[in-house]
Amino acid sequence: KNQVEQSPQSLIILEGKNCTLQCNYTVSPFSNLRWYKQDTGRGPVSLTIMTFSENTKSNGRYTATLDADTKQSSLHITASQLSDSASYICVVSFRNTDKLIFGTGTRLQVFP
Amino acid sequence: DSGVTQTPKHLITATGQRVTLRCSPRSGDLSVYWYQQSLDQGLQFLIQYYNGEERAKGNILERFSAQQFPDLHSELNLSSLELGDSALYFCASSPIGGAGTGELFFGEGSRLTVL
Repeated sequence: KNQVEQSPQSLIILEGKNCTLQCNYTVSPFSNLRWYKQDTGRGPVSLTIMTFSENTKSNGRYTATLDADTKQSSLHITASQLSDSASYICVVSFRNTDKLIFGTGTRLQVFP
Repeated sequence: DSGVTQTPKHLITATGQRVTLRCSPRSGDLSVYWYQQSLDQGLQFLIQYYNGEERAKGNILERFSAQQFPDLHSELNLSSLELGDSALYFCASSPIGGAGTGELFFGEGSRLTVL
């Protein structure tokens, strides 16, 4: 079954600290993996998109990694800020289709 | 601002009623996607249109329907509303390549509350 699982479900950290969010998928055939940030009540916003040939991609303080062999991805947030409080959603697409599989997200809360 | 416009932002209605949600995709994007997000749930794919034609269907109820017009805006019609239909409804658009390879841009959503 094609699935995307994220962990942890929720996370609380202090401002300035780093954190890492995990995404495991069983989607096949795989095309690309994306990370989205969704503020409460807002639409998701793309952070990174990686194909199977890419191992890492950065967007400011956000760095995503991908291991296509183990079907795992991580999103590392450096020097967290209060504005990083949001849900982070991992999305995987199938090759040659428009079909996307969404994870249920990790809810991150950053406290001062 | 993603360039995807959704209206209305908020909608409160009663059970059994019918509502229409509207979406204007980014200029030039041919694909429109509709998603439902219930409280504390992940995004559930409902339906996709490409240049006016239905392209893919997800977990869309028979009480729900959608269409994409020649000017590429899309409408999602929800009828015989039930309490469980209360959710955020997102529209997203993607360039000609489609969401599978291209970027997906989300609107700010329409929050539907059914009382």
